[in-house]
Order: sequence, then C-alpha cells, then structure tokens
Amino acid sequence: EIVLTQSPVTLSLSPGESATLSCRASQFISSRHLAWYQQKPGQAPRLLIYGASGRATGIPDRFSGSGSGTDFTLTISRLEPEDFAVYYCQQYATSFTFGPGTTVDIK
Amino acid sequence: QLLQSGAEVKPPGATVKIPCKVSGYSLSDYHMHWVQQAPGKGLEWVGLLVPEDGKTIYAEKFQGRVTITADTSTDTAYLEVRRLRSEDTAVYYCATATGTDAFDIWGQGTMVTVSS
Repeated sequence: EIVLTQSPVTLSLSPGESATLSCRASQFISSRHLAWYQQKPGQAPRLLIYGASGRATGIPDRFSGSGSGTDFTLTISRLEPEDFAVYYCQQYATSFTFGPGTTVDIK
Repeated sequence: QLLQSGAEVKPPGATVKIPCKVSGYSLSDYHMHWVQQAPGKGLEWVGLLVPEDGKTIYAEKFQGRVTITADTSTDTAYLEVRRLRSEDTAVYYCATATGTDAFDIWGQGTMVTVSS
C-alpha cells in the first residue's frame, strides 16, 4: 500500500499570506495520479488539483500544484478567508489512499 | 450530483445500507466510490463499484464486511456495512470520478452512528 505523509500538520497563517503544503509518498507515483482536496467543517471534500498540477473546474488560480515522483506540493498564494480549511492529498495510482491532512488555520 | 440521506443510528452488530442517488447523469456512466470519515479524523477509501459489469474492489480494511451494489433502474448505489461496531461510527461519502480518476463529484455524506 502506498502511504502518504503530509506536512506540516497545522499551518497558521494570516489572510494574504502564501501557504505551502507538502505531500510525500512512500513509493514512486506517476504525477498523473496525485490529487489535492479541500474540506471545510461539515462539508464534503472538494477536488482542487488532479494529475498533480491540473486545476479542477472552478478552482481559482491562486491554487497550484507541483511535484513528481514521491514529493508533491500544493501552494495557495494570497490566502483568502475562505481558504482556511483542511487539505488532503490522494494517490490513485495503486488503489486509492489519502494523506492524513494539513489544517490551514488563521493566525 | 450525488444525493445521500442524512443520518442512521444502529446498534452494535446490526447492518446498515446507505443509499447514494445519482442525479443529472446515469449511474452507469462512471465508477462509484465510497469514502469513510470518522469523527475528527481523515478520509479513508472504502471501495468502488464498476456499474457496467458490477465489479467491486474493496480496501483490505473493509474486505468481507462491506458490499457495494447498484440499482441501475433507479440510478442508486448502496454501501452495506455488516456487523457494525463502534469504530464504524463515521460519515460515509459516495464520490465519482467523471474526468480523470480524481474524485470530482461528492455526495453530502451520511452520518452513521453505532450505539446501543
């Protein structure tokens, strides 16, 4: 099973700042099979990024994804108040697994 | 969209069958996934159904205790969880991948509480 590790666990930032979230896989993943989701309290997850760097429909361009192999990054430039949430990475190369999540909260 | 019922309360040892109705397209069009989220915890993939041939694949953790089925006449998928225990208390989401294999459409989730 491919295990995903996310860091940091919590990121405390102010609106307008940039956030950099990391996702590391226990083995090589094709970048085509890495996604990022955002989840707010009481809501279902929302797809942000697919294929490591493709933005899903309706996702603002302040969200960007990058990386390859075992190391992937989600960057949120200029945090808006609605961006404070939990973010999960997911691999769908071999079965499906999610990382444990990174909470982006207001400093 | 994917439409799910609100909540279920079941005693330990019981069985729950959670529906997920597809609206706006046909259930047969895309694979259907189920994801578990225990209170305050992360997301865990449960399994998937390939509607066109009924094939199912389950995560090892859930193998043998869950079954995913589909009723194509009503465009409704189901997740059945048997021999419920307290650790099964969670929100269960159905989700589909309509473009790439990432989950781009999610139901609103069904909260299942296992309690005597």
